[in-house]
Amino acid sequence: DADVTQTPRNRITKTGKRIMLECSQTKGHDRMYWYRQDPGLGLRLIYYSFDVKDINKGEISDGYSVSRQAQAKFSLSLESAIPNQTALYFCATSHFYGDRTDTQYFGPGTRLTVL
Amino acid sequence: QKEVEQNSGPLSVPEGAIASLNCTYSDRGSQSFFWYRQYSGKSPELIMSIYSNGDKEDGRFTAQLNKASQYVSLLIRDSQPSDSATYLCAVNTGSGSARQLTFGSGTQLTVLP
Repeated sequence: DADVTQTPRNRITKTGKRIMLECSQTKGHDRMYWYRQDPGLGLRLIYYSFDVKDINKGEISDGYSVSRQAQAKFSLSLESAIPNQTALYFCATSHFYGDRTDTQYFGPGTRLTVL
Repeated sequence: QKEVEQNSGPLSVPEGAIASLNCTYSDRGSQSFFWYRQYSGKSPELIMSIYSNGDKEDGRFTAQLNKASQYVSLLIRDSQPSDSATYLCAVNTGSGSARQLTFGSGTQLTVLP
């Protein structure tokens, strides 16, 4: 089974709808991240969480919210979806070892289309 | 100024040649550097990490780091068509426990049979 899973894998929705993307991990990592990827723009950080009670905004958090329900679960919500939120969304996890490591491991991604 | 910059490409090399991918970064305090490979429509997968100046080799892949020049590169020897993908450079930015990865926009590599 995959260590980092995302649901749904594909979603088509309409402008103004509320949508939630979910991420679960079995790696036992404390840190979780949400990124979006647009063609030619690389990965941009939306939100990140270093533990259940620590949630931080990333580079492009406007229009998004998150919830860390447990160490293994991190959800991303679009309260009122708009077409320019059409993108590929990735969840990632890492473990803080207190040194330089911080390798991130990615889920399979969710392709979101907002009409 | 973007924190992590890569040549966007596309970069094309013939099969069997050496592919050279480059990345520069702006945060002098960065200590961890990563190369991810991403096939179209798939998630990034880690292929190399490097923390010290110099070269690190893993099979056909060699990562090179020069902190003084704020430069990290990835060499792929004996390139294969299966190496055709987008390669993302990622650098730890920030300090202490608040470190996070900043990604470049990626270099698209095509290996021609």
